[in-house]
Amino acid sequence: SQQGEEDPQALSIQEGENATMNCSYKTSINNLQWYRQNSGRGLVHLILIRSNEREKHSGRLRVTLDTSKKSSSLLITASRAADTASYFCATEDTGRRALTFGSGTRLQVQP
Amino acid sequence: EPEVTQTPSHQVTQMGQEVILRCVPISNHLYFYWYRQILGQKVEFLVSFYNNEISEKSEIFDDQFSVERPDGSNFTLKIRSTKLEDSAMYFCASRPGQGARSAEAFFGQGTRLTVV
Repeated sequence: SQQGEEDPQALSIQEGENATMNCSYKTSINNLQWYRQNSGRGLVHLILIRSNEREKHSGRLRVTLDTSKKSSSLLITASRAADTASYFCATEDTGRRALTFGSGTRLQVQP
Repeated sequence: EPEVTQTPSHQVTQMGQEVILRCVPISNHLYFYWYRQILGQKVEFLVSFYNNEISEKSEIFDDQFSVERPDGSNFTLKIRSTKLEDSAMYFCASRPGQGARSAEAFFGQGTRLTVV
């Protein structure tokens, strides 16, 4: 698989449920970031987790990072219809300052 | 919160023409980037700019592309002799490079380039 592959590609849940998205990568990283993109719009930064961190929280978001497995997960708790968007993981590889994006997960939250 | 501003929001150009996409990064940010996203595909890195020069570029960023920061506030991407496959959303981003949020990239809303 390519750097920054995410699964599932698409996820449909009911409002109030939790949504979990996974990301795998191949390289050594400084950090891993999650972004949200509403259809046709810009990318909004959600959360950053450094390579020496294992878990981070921000509001309803919880991110985990397992550098031994080169994987991360984003959990959105108590989802809302407004959470409907595409979610991308992006890695900042060691020695670089640019981001490598994953293919994204399209989340649909049904009201 | 400060924003990265991109203009125009949509640009239609004829194949073979030159286009300039404009961006105003967040002031006091040190790193500037261009990314692109072909419809339905991944966001791809094009180029990064630091200390008034290109610090990194991808394979996509060939001689057809150039960047400039002409006046200390604007950051432009020029695409010469556009091709149909250049049609994409182009995102500008900036990053503080220092402080608590040093690694966080702030993206503009994008310019949708359509080459016809």
